[in-house]
Amino acid sequence: TQLLEQSPQFLSIQEGENLTVYCNSSSVFSSLQWYRQEPGEGPVLLVTVVTGGEVKKLKRLTFQFGDARKDSSLHITAAQPGDTGLYLCAGQRGYSTLTFGKGTMLLVSP
Amino acid sequence: DSGVTQTPKHLITATGQRVTLRCSPRSGDLSVYWYQQSLDQGLQFLIQYYNGEERAKGNILERFSAQQFPDLHSELNLSSLELGDSALYFCASSVGLAGGLIPDTQYFGPGTRLTVL
Repeated sequence: TQLLEQSPQFLSIQEGENLTVYCNSSSVFSSLQWYRQEPGEGPVLLVTVVTGGEVKKLKRLTFQFGDARKDSSLHITAAQPGDTGLYLCAGQRGYSTLTFGKGTMLLVSP
Repeated sequence: DSGVTQTPKHLITATGQRVTLRCSPRSGDLSVYWYQQSLDQGLQFLIQYYNGEERAKGNILERFSAQQFPDLHSELNLSSLELGDSALYFCASSVGLAGGLIPDTQYFGPGTRLTVL
């Protein structure tokens, strides 16, 4: 059983569309991170959220941590081809190491 | 460029063989982490070292071992390879707060793609 479930697994959209991807768990996390991984590269950290209900914005990307710190969402406004990649969420409980979800593969076509 | 380097980029070998993957962390980072990424399991934590000492262990098989050397580079050794070991192997490094015990930002290398035939 995967501790962090990400949905959808795959998303193919046109440039300019909005989208939301989700990261859900039955466990409480002290912090949650979002990464983007491009083909042939390692994951790159986008944001860390630590407080329940926290919302962080990174240009056209909006990240939200659930009130109960069990889930998170990533919303992209007006997607661009450069947003294409694998989006991974990773949770941390206390001093434990990161637990990753399997990711959402996003393809943005021109 | 994260500053973490991994060699080789690609590795093709046969079942039963042994390989060594190498990682050089970012300058100044004392913690090194190894991960395995496959389509069915996603990104799985294998092991963490801090300044030469093992700090945390994840889903690492007994056939796999790692070490961190005095110059802080790390090697992951995979032996008696099986078809199912084919995957991307990533190394990440971090500063290593409180002796590597407090979680801090990890920077990932570009990975080594291992194919076992």
